[in-house]
Amino acid sequence: GEDVEQSLFLSVREGDSSVINCTYTDSSSTYLYWYKQEPGAGLQLLTYIFSNMDMKQDQRLTVLLNKKDKHLSLRIADTQTGDSAIYFCAESIENTGKLIFGQGTTLQVKP
Amino acid sequence: DVKVTQSSRYLVKRTGEKVFLECVQDMDHENMFWYRQDPGLGLRLIYFSYDVKMKEKGDIPEGYSVSREKKERFSLILESASTNQTSMYLCASSLTGRGTGELFFGEGSRLTVL
Repeated sequence: GEDVEQSLFLSVREGDSSVINCTYTDSSSTYLYWYKQEPGAGLQLLTYIFSNMDMKQDQRLTVLLNKKDKHLSLRIADTQTGDSAIYFCAESIENTGKLIFGQGTTLQVKP
Repeated sequence: DVKVTQSSRYLVKRTGEKVFLECVQDMDHENMFWYRQDPGLGLRLIYFSYDVKMKEKGDIPEGYSVSREKKERFSLILESASTNQTSMYLCASSLTGRGTGELFFGEGSRLTVL
């Protein structure tokens, strides 16, 4: 079945770049997503990438997609303490409306 | 903005009690979903619904049921709560066949079963 895998934890220093990685299995996914969850809150969409794109940049965020390897990454430049959160990678399952989520990566930003 | 509202942020129930978790969305979305979130396991889909009175099992439906009598409301029911159902429950909604397919989430309901 479909599966999305992420590492569970990443720690960086304030001002450094953070890179969160994700692998997925469904090659027919139309969109891939990054969601952010702050403590005690629900998930909010951070960014997404269409499956025919290799890269998407949005201010401090860069998403890279390698379809051949089914690998997605999220780079956060100049990481701030406010970026501390859980980041979830998700893939869309074609023609179902469902999203499959990874385990979530907890990003810890040290001052 | 789309708003998904979950009626209870925190609940404490006893084993064997019946539990209702309510979710309402205000943007006329066709699709609604219930996920549970556990540390290290991410989000797992319990049930989803494409339309009123329709429901589909997700990956972990055992011990749960759902109800969708109105388009804007999707309820998750635990007929007889057990301690292994202690978790964070997240409701989400989305549009069918339009846009990016993103899910809009509520704030979550943290359920503790004693």
